Amino acid sequence: ETGVTQSPTHLIKTRGQQVTLRCSSQSGHNTVSWYQQALGQGPQFIFQYYREEENGRGNFPPRFSGLQFPNYSSELNVNALELDDSALYLCASSSPTSGRRADTQYFGPGTRLTVL
Amino acid sequence: EDQVTQSPEALRLQEGESSSLNCSYTVSGLRGLFWYRQDPGKGPEFLFTLYSAGEEKEKERLKATLTKKESFLHITAPKPEDSATYLCAVPRDAGNNRKLIWGLGTSLAVNP
Repeated sequence: ETGVTQSPTHLIKTRGQQVTLRCSSQSGHNTVSWYQQALGQGPQFIFQYYREEENGRGNFPPRFSGLQFPNYSSELNVNALELDDSALYLCASSSPTSGRRADTQYFGPGTRLTVL
Repeated sequence: EDQVTQSPEALRLQEGESSSLNCSYTVSGLRGLFWYRQDPGKGPEFLFTLYSAGEEKEKERLKATLTKKESFLHITAPKPEDSATYLCAVPRDAGNNRKLIWGLGTSLAVNP
């Protein structure tokens, strides 16, 4: 079973540029969630995709956008990069459970984005 | 307001010295509580999911327990390789979306 993979591992951009981060979900998972984690903080929810549709969004501006493809892989796009966007970006995949129980999310290794 | 609080922020143990980490939450209608381990610069590694008060799960030197207001991660006879940040998270429903709310983590250092 292949786990969650993310690319690239590290990325350096300058303010105002645009970036695309990629994520391949774990086999059998149709839901992908993206998180931003600043140093010393817990992850902050950006948005979630379920079967190619956005399924909820956190408190992030519209310049953070995403896509999910038919194979359930996903992209996170960030336009007009700001210095504060420097963080570890995490992708997690899951498969919805029935009933009230929340599904377990499995994380990739992350992409470290540095904005100069 | 839905909140997850972890304590202590940092913990330093000697190898073999057992201890417990705490995660308290205020989310109503708990639908699960998750524990993860995170090494510096890496993604969180899943450890446990707990769903009901009274539930316990074990894995090697780790044991997670859950009450109606908090969860404990007990570490028995830790080794230096257990050094990491331990994060807990709970889901909060917003429509069809179950986003995770995270604590700030406990940074554990185990000295040989």
